[in-house]
Amino acid sequence: QQQVKQSPQSLIVQKGGISIINCAYENTAFDYFPWYQQFPGKGPALLIAIRPDVSEKKEGRFTISFNKSAKQFSLHIMDSQPGDSATYFCAASDDGGSQGNLIFGKGTKLSVKP
Amino acid sequence: KAGVTQTPRYLIKTRGQQVTLSCSPISGHRSVSWYQQTPGQGLQFLFEYFSETQRNKGNFPGRFSGRQFSNSRSEMNVSTLELGDSALYLCASSLGVRIHQETQYFGPGTRLLVL
Repeated sequence: QQQVKQSPQSLIVQKGGISIINCAYENTAFDYFPWYQQFPGKGPALLIAIRPDVSEKKEGRFTISFNKSAKQFSLHIMDSQPGDSATYFCAASDDGGSQGNLIFGKGTKLSVKP
Repeated sequence: KAGVTQTPRYLIKTRGQQVTLSCSPISGHRSVSWYQQTPGQGLQFLFEYFSETQRNKGNFPGRFSGRQFSNSRSEMNVSTLELGDSALYLCASSLGVRIHQETQYFGPGTRLLVL
């Protein structure tokens, strides 16, 4: 049972454009929602994270929007650059929960064209 | 600070063999988690160790096991390898104070190919 659904699977954006990746979750006990970025040959690295007490968090060109009632959250990359080309994973976790550790979405491969 | 290191980086085994993968966490980190990454299933949680104790386990068969040493280094073992075990195995470390909401720092992974 996939508990975090991520879309789209792949995304092509022109340089300078906005990249938007969406995730939806089922478990209302989730209370931590990080996004990870993975380049080929590397492990994932934390990009930005949000907790459900805020609806938006911005760090540089990266913004997470969070909609608790809809159980959805999204990553927006403003002014996308070729160096942003990577695979992005959303994730969720439940503090002290029985779900194990981070539950990941299946990833979105982003290509930013120059 | 040195990052998370994993050895070996690449491994080729045949069905039925067993394999041991190693992970050295960031200095000072006491929690180590293991994940399996495949194109079809994505990143799936295997298990988590804190202070030499397994704290959580994902939905994997008993052929997958792990342990953590007193210096926080961790190993995972897969016995009786199957073709479907071919994957990138990622280790992540964190401080371990509040494991579910801490930044997890991933290593580069060990790519296992089972023939």
